[in-house]
Amino acid sequence: SQQGEEDPQALSIQEGENATMNCSYKTSINNLQWYRQNSGRGLVHLILIRSNEREKHSGRLRVTLDTSKKSSSLLITASRAADTASYFCATGPNSGYSTLTFGKGTMLLVSP
Amino acid sequence: DVKVTQSSRYLVKRTGEKVFLECVQDMDHENMFWYRQDPGLGLRLIYFSYDVKMKEKGDIPEGYSVSREKKERFSLILESASTNQTSMYLCASSLLAGNSPLHFGNGTRLTVT
Repeated sequence: SQQGEEDPQALSIQEGENATMNCSYKTSINNLQWYRQNSGRGLVHLILIRSNEREKHSGRLRVTLDTSKKSSSLLITASRAADTASYFCATGPNSGYSTLTFGKGTMLLVSP
Repeated sequence: DVKVTQSSRYLVKRTGEKVFLECVQDMDHENMFWYRQDPGLGLRLIYFSYDVKMKEKGDIPEGYSVSREKKERFSLILESASTNQTSMYLCASSLLAGNSPLHFGNGTRLTVT
């Protein structure tokens, strides 16, 4: 069942601009993860943030998590054409043996 | 780096054929997964396995089966392929199921005609 829902569905920006993608979910989570997928390829893990964390950085990526609002955001700063890809959030539930549930993704297009 | 290898990038099969999709990981991960990805539907979990010879149904197991005889290998089987199984199939492995990153293969784009 789909839990994470990304917003917007598509985003088009110029190189050098920042890109912000949002993810909302419905039930309590253990962690939330962001993945990138280049066209026709597999997904690549970007960052994992646990439910007791509020913010995490990795290079030009910044992820925030607000468990009270059940939402997360992924910020890519100073975007490059190579950042063009689909971005997915995935949630790890808080109960028992769990598997990740993915959203439908945000397609990001960065124009030179 | 973890490597997850899917045996084929592209596959074309006929309706009714038995289809095997193979996936191998080299990091001794306990957990392996098969997803399918369709436009507008995102990734949906078909089956997963948390140990050799163990398997669990995901969200959409109908029409599929799996085999895990060795820790590093997880096979997805389409018993009798149908056109609605035309899709991108993604294999992944992880150390701690939903609590650690998934490492994905490059995917197999299957077309059933």
